[in-house]
Amino acid sequence: DAMVIQNPRYQVTQFGKPVTLSCSQTLNHNVMYWYQQKSSQAPKLLFHYYDKDFNNEADTPDNFQSRRPNTSFCFLDIRSPGLGDAAMYLCATSGNTEAFFGQGTRLTVV
Amino acid sequence: AQSVTQPDIHITVSEGASLELRCNYSYGATPYLFWYVQSPGQGLQLLLKYFSGDTLVQGIKGFEAEFKRSQSSFNLRKPSVHWSDAAEYFCAVGNTGGFKTIFGAGTRLFVKA
Repeated sequence: DAMVIQNPRYQVTQFGKPVTLSCSQTLNHNVMYWYQQKSSQAPKLLFHYYDKDFNNEADTPDNFQSRRPNTSFCFLDIRSPGLGDAAMYLCATSGNTEAFFGQGTRLTVV
Repeated sequence: AQSVTQPDIHITVSEGASLELRCNYSYGATPYLFWYVQSPGQGLQLLLKYFSGDTLVQGIKGFEAEFKRSQSSFNLRKPSVHWSDAAEYFCAVGNTGGFKTIFGAGTRLFVKA
């Protein structure tokens, strides 16, 4: 049973056109994360929510925003995608043991 | 600052041979250590984790890892590799419960027949 679900699995967007990626969880974890993973690189933490408290990593571009309307859902908004934003975006949650990851959304910018 | 180093970008082993993937970490407190595996185009699956206690931990798919505090290492091992083990392996360190897990650069495993 999927515990962290990301939609869509593949997203194509135009250069400069806002795009939203979705994540939901059935684990009822307090913490949710968004990671960016470029080809052949490690996942890089963009930001996380602890309950409703939003925490941005220092080097996350302003172009990336997030919303968490409730415990189960979290969204990643890219306001003006550039070619350099093409990547796999991973959503994760954590509770008392380890981080659980979704299958990721592969974003292509054309 | 917290960091994870995986010195091998890629490793090739023959099917049936043993495997060891290296991982070194830098962490100010007692680390929570993880190994994740990622198949192409997929998310990250947890293989095993170390929080405390026995320094040799067993994971899924026949993997094990040994925590060595004196060497700041957490190497992953498997006695006999299967072709299906070909994937990218990430060592990671986090706070309690995997909070703000950070990852090493990964090691790509190739398995030859």
